[in-house]
Amino acid sequence: GAVVSQHPSRVICKSGTSVKIECRSLDFQATTMFWYRQFPKQSLMLMATSNEGSKATYEQGVEKDKFLINHASLTLSTLTVTSAHPEDSSFYICSARQGAWGSEQYFGPGTRLTVT
Amino acid sequence: GQQLNQSPQSMFIQEGEDVSMNCTSSSIFNTWLWYKQDPGEGPVLLIALYKAGELTSNGRLTAQFGITRKDSFLNISASIPSDVGIYFCAGPGGTDKLIFGTGTRLQVFP
Repeated sequence: GAVVSQHPSRVICKSGTSVKIECRSLDFQATTMFWYRQFPKQSLMLMATSNEGSKATYEQGVEKDKFLINHASLTLSTLTVTSAHPEDSSFYICSARQGAWGSEQYFGPGTRLTVT
Repeated sequence: GQQLNQSPQSMFIQEGEDVSMNCTSSSIFNTWLWYKQDPGEGPVLLIALYKAGELTSNGRLTAQFGITRKDSFLNISASIPSDVGIYFCAGPGGTDKLIFGTGTRLQVFP
């Protein structure tokens, strides 16, 4: 149980285009989902926290108009990278939590974004 | 802000050796989590610690919650090739979120 999927696993896009990444909790309802970004040989950095049906809370320095997050249901959150640039190339990982703080976060397999 | 520093940054060991790594925080934590990340994958929770001094095992892995509440340790006994990966500590970074350590990259040679 507690499986989180991401789609796509890899995506290559041209500079200036937008890319949508999906995060799904397959066998549980996620009250909260998190989006992280990981650059090569670095740690995971939290980008934003989203609760179903409400606006996402973004970390300092993360542009909310560039990284659009939609958490429309208890099993799906999407991250859209708008007007992507090469510096947005990174590994994007989502996680989902079933209960309140203290409950385990289950991580997705990640999405490798390359912007050319 | 809060920072989690892990040591060592990387380790190259032979199969069968024991491994020790640690994580230190600039502030007190009430929870310590240890994750492993395989290349190109998301992290997977290995061990969770909730009490100062707590020692918890998961197979060949043992983690301890430091008495000062500002550090934690992870040991792997009798390493095997599939132990290769990056090990991250994590803890509460404020309301409703985790912060991750800098990571320890482990390479195991047969």
